[in-house]
Amino acid sequence: SQTIHQWPATLVQPVGSPLSLECTVEGTSNPNLYWYRQAAGRGLQLLFYSVGIGQISSEVPQNLSASRPQDRQFILSSKKLLLSDSGFYLCAWSVSDVEYFGPGTRLLVL
Amino acid sequence: KQEVTQIPAALSVPEGENLVLNCSFTDSAIYNLQWFRQDPGKGLTSLLLIQSSQREQTSGRLNASLDKSSGRSTLYIAASQPGDSATYLCAVVTNQAGTALIFGKGTTLSVSS
Repeated sequence: SQTIHQWPATLVQPVGSPLSLECTVEGTSNPNLYWYRQAAGRGLQLLFYSVGIGQISSEVPQNLSASRPQDRQFILSSKKLLLSDSGFYLCAWSVSDVEYFGPGTRLLVL
Repeated sequence: KQEVTQIPAALSVPEGENLVLNCSFTDSAIYNLQWFRQDPGKGLTSLLLIQSSQREQTSGRLNASLDKSSGRSTLYIAASQPGDSATYLCAVVTNQAGTALIFGKGTTLSVSS
């Protein structure tokens, strides 16, 4: 069966520090991968999606970036975090029409 | 630009009630629509997926309907239970080229025993 992992579960970082969130999927090949963010009082917003290794599409311009170094690995990064980067970050995968979500990473930027 | 709206934002009902959650979208050219459940601080669980050619989908006590031409979907929950308490999210895909879901802000449901 397919499994999606995200880590860390919770992260507290100072403003201006770098960020790296990792997402891995098991039990499937060539998935579409997605990063979403859920900020307080707002809905889920798509940040990046990838249809293959090295292929990244950005939906929202900001100081975040994403990379897909392997088929089932998706990384969300930032060189310098902003206060507004705080939120709940969710990774998801799909190979057909249904998207499956990971457990999420709660990021607090102070 | 596709926008998804969910009404009400919050709902409190006593156990056993049947209830309806509403979702509307501005662009009727959708590929499919999904309903998700999110428990506090957790990821999302897919409940029902309706393809654009379908009118409804059922799973247990849940029934989701889709009226694409009017840009509306409803999630019907029968005989609600305290364990149904969660935030319910509606999301649409506007094309089949692999782009992702556009979400509403959700309806937070509280079922009291």
